[in-house]
Amino acid sequence: DAGVIQSPRHEVTEMGQEVTLRCKPISGHDYLFWYRQTMMRGLELLIYFNNNVPIDDSGMPEDRFSAKMPNASFSTLKIQPSEPRDSAVYFCASSFGTGYGYTFGSGTRLTVV
Amino acid sequence: SQKIEQNSEALNIQEGKTATLTCNYTNYSPAYLQWYRQDPGRGPVFLLLIRENEKEKRKERLKVTFDTTLKQSLFHITASQPADSATYLCAPNSGGGADGLTFGKGTHLIIQP
Repeated sequence: DAGVIQSPRHEVTEMGQEVTLRCKPISGHDYLFWYRQTMMRGLELLIYFNNNVPIDDSGMPEDRFSAKMPNASFSTLKIQPSEPRDSAVYFCASSFGTGYGYTFGSGTRLTVV
Repeated sequence: SQKIEQNSEALNIQEGKTATLTCNYTNYSPAYLQWYRQDPGRGPVFLLLIRENEKEKRKERLKVTFDTTLKQSLFHITASQPADSATYLCAPNSGGGADGLTFGKGTHLIIQP
C-alpha cells in the first residue's frame, strides 16, 4: 500500500482565494482525520470521519473551513476564503478505528500571502 | 481543561545511553495512550500504543510505561543511536468514547555521537 496520499505537497495562495487540500486514505481504514500543525499550537485535530460520515468537527476553526468525504477513498479540506493565519502544515491520517495507531500522510504545507 | 505536557526543551543524550521522555496529562481518563515519532518535513509515525490495563509495553529498543494514578507515561529508548534523533509526540485518547487523538507538542530528542 502506498500509505496515505496527500496533495498538493506545497500550496502558496493569495489571501481571499479558495484552497482545496486532498487526501486518499489507506484502503480498509474506517477512520479519516484532518490535522493542522503549527509551531505555536502543535498538532490540532480539525475534523474526523467514520465510514465517510463526519463525526466531530468541533476543531474546525471557522465557517471558512469545510471538509467532505464523498467515498471511502477520498476526502477534501477546503478553506474559503483563505487568510494568512491559515498558513500551516495540514495532515491527513487514517486508522482502522479506536485503539489503533494512525497512519499520517506527508502533509500539505500551506502558505497564504 | 484537558492538558498534555511534554518537555518543551530539547533533550540531548549521548549515543548508547537510554533516553527517557515524559508525558503528563491532566483532566483525562484515557483508555490508551500512543507515542509517535516525527522527523522534520514529514508526518508523525506511529510507534506504540499502551492500554490502561497495561503497565509496560516493549518493541525492540523502545519501552513505554503508563501510570494512570500519576497520569504519566514514560517513553524509553535504550542503546540510543543518532538515527533516533527526532521529535516524539504522545497522544492520550480523550476518553468518553471520542475517537480523535489530541497530541502533545512533543519533545525534540538529539542523540549525540
